Amino acid sequence: EPEVTQTPSHQVTQMGQEVILRCVPISNHLYFYWYRQILGQKVEFLVSFYNNEISEKSEIFDDQFSVERPDGSNFTLKIRSTKLEDSAMYFCASGGQLYGYTFGSGTRLTVV
Amino acid sequence: DAKTTQPPSMDCAEGRAANLPCNHSTISGNEYVYWYRQIHSQGPQYIIHGLKNNETNEMASLIITEDRKSSTLILPHATLRDTAVYYCIVRVLIAGNNRKLIWGLGTSLAVNP
Repeated sequence: EPEVTQTPSHQVTQMGQEVILRCVPISNHLYFYWYRQILGQKVEFLVSFYNNEISEKSEIFDDQFSVERPDGSNFTLKIRSTKLEDSAMYFCASGGQLYGYTFGSGTRLTVV
Repeated sequence: DAKTTQPPSMDCAEGRAANLPCNHSTISGNEYVYWYRQIHSQGPQYIIHGLKNNETNEMASLIITEDRKSSTLILPHATLRDTAVYYCIVRVLIAGNNRKLIWGLGTSLAVNP
């Protein structure tokens, strides 16, 4: 069964550093998403991406965040200057309008 | 803001049916109901989705009321491996004819031997 692959599985970074979270969506999917889950809390929408541009972003997705699909297969989330409150599980998902969305296993980001 | 409400926790005996309720009274006519589950902090796993008709797949059945204000996920023969947090989610329309999933807090289902 096709999978969404995320790397790394765990990233520890110092506050103020830049991090890039990587995702390889399912190849024939057209819609891509990033969600995050702070420990013990609900899953929160960050951003959706379609046709090489952002469709919608949440209020969490401020100027410190950016997404790219640099080579037609990878989908990245960059946080320019991490803060302690960015510590969370970050999930990438891909899918379409008529079927279920497939999530990756997540990247646990720890900002120290 | 979440568009769904679920009981925070439920128990079920192994081998019995688990019926997980969800209220989504503000759902719009073109918004789908999705169910996912999450084991520990793993990635959410898709279970099933529907609009207004009842749906069944190899994992579960989804019963949606006629007024679409609530639904029930049924795991017909729960096993210990079904212990997880189950999320009832509304998929809403966003810009670019795209959609996003609005998550609630989910139901923590414990399947007991």
